[in-house]
Amino acid sequence: DAKTTQPTSMDCAEGRAANLPCNHSTISGNEYVYWYRQIHSQGPQYIIHGLKNNETNEMASLIITEDRKSSTLILPHATLRDTAVYYCIVRVVNTGNQFYFGTGTSLTVIP
Amino acid sequence: DADVTQTPRNRITKTGKRIMLECSQTKGHDRMYWYRQDPGLGLRLIYYSFDVKDINKGEISDGYSVSRQAQAKFSLSLESAIPNQTALYFCATSDMDRGKEKLFFGSGTQLSVL
Repeated sequence: DAKTTQPTSMDCAEGRAANLPCNHSTISGNEYVYWYRQIHSQGPQYIIHGLKNNETNEMASLIITEDRKSSTLILPHATLRDTAVYYCIVRVVNTGNQFYFGTGTSLTVIP
Repeated sequence: DADVTQTPRNRITKTGKRIMLECSQTKGHDRMYWYRQDPGLGLRLIYYSFDVKDINKGEISDGYSVSRQAQAKFSLSLESAIPNQTALYFCATSDMDRGKEKLFFGSGTQLSVL
């Protein structure tokens, strides 16, 4: 059930911030925004998630708009190892709802 | 993640053969999942299990079956493999930690059906 829209691909210069947008205009009040990434056919890796407040961890920052209809994942200083497909997912926590992965954004970090 | 182990890593088989993909985990998680990924596409959920007695179909369960032999083991079977089941298959586990649910994935099994 594709509830998110992401650009197909993006480029970012090494050392610069990578800002990956996601639209989720039909998000419900109890749905969280999750971000995962997949590096070249490896299993996806959890990055961050949030409900309505901005979140930051050692990997990235998540900025959610006040109306919650969109969000941005920020990798503050992109490295070549950040080249991957990034998936934005919305789902209700602690229920039977599952993680549905769309096609994501293919981020290429350029030297 | 070495805590979620998939076997085999690669498999080539012929149309009509029965195939089983194995997944085992040492994380102690109750929830386990099987996804498939086709080239250029995202992951699609095949089956999931919240505990040993709980099995649920995902969005693309037709042609597949699963078995949850124990908390640590979750197998995916293709009773009669067909070429469009050629894909990269991922097993995953998850648990709930103070409202946060993370998926942990295995390294994947590349299956080719000729």
